[in-house]
Amino acid sequence: NAGVTQTPKFQVLKTGQSMTLQCAQDMNHEYMSWYRQDPGMGLRLIHYSVGAGITDQGEVPNGYNVSRSTTEDFPLRLLSAAPSQTSVYFCASSLYRGSGYTFGSGTRLTVV
Amino acid sequence: GDSVTQMEGPVTLSEEAFLTINCTYTATGYPSLFWYVQYPGEGLQLLLKATKADDKGSNKGFEATYRKETTSFHLEKGSVQVSDSAVYFCALRSMNRDDKIIFGKGTRLHILP
Repeated sequence: NAGVTQTPKFQVLKTGQSMTLQCAQDMNHEYMSWYRQDPGMGLRLIHYSVGAGITDQGEVPNGYNVSRSTTEDFPLRLLSAAPSQTSVYFCASSLYRGSGYTFGSGTRLTVV
Repeated sequence: GDSVTQMEGPVTLSEEAFLTINCTYTATGYPSLFWYVQYPGEGLQLLLKATKADDKGSNKGFEATYRKETTSFHLEKGSVQVSDSAVYFCALRSMNRDDKIIFGKGTRLHILP
């Protein structure tokens, strides 16, 4: 089925470990973003991309890196995991500026 | 900068009651406005949208009208069902170069049978 696919769905990391959260979409969407969702905080933008080869920071980028080598993929890298990065992470994409985002089903990350 | 403010929850209603969830925004220009819904354990789903002043978005019995004069986009439904229990997010898509979607903090809705 067409949509946004995130892997893994669940992950437990130890403090200091690194990992990559995968996000792929097969809708040929130009715009992609990563959000984190924390209780009482709503969704906060981590990084976003307006097309292949173009990325920029959101409001909470520290501790995360992204790249966009293809239109389809937008991985999020945690460089050195910290307990403060325990959260649910959502990837989202959209075809054009005025359209709504299609969200993935999320990755629940726990850092111990 | 651009921002979205929505009423805090939780909101608890009986089945068949009328629902209003307030949302106001601050933005430059004419942003697109959205309501998303998140059911337990799932990602966000687009519920409805409006792209210009006086537009009305509607879906699954929910409606919201883009009011430029009051900078509001309130969500309404005439008769809620237990299955409408979820978290609802108001959002805008910035017309600035950064092209961000900015979300409110969400309103949790509980519908009692």
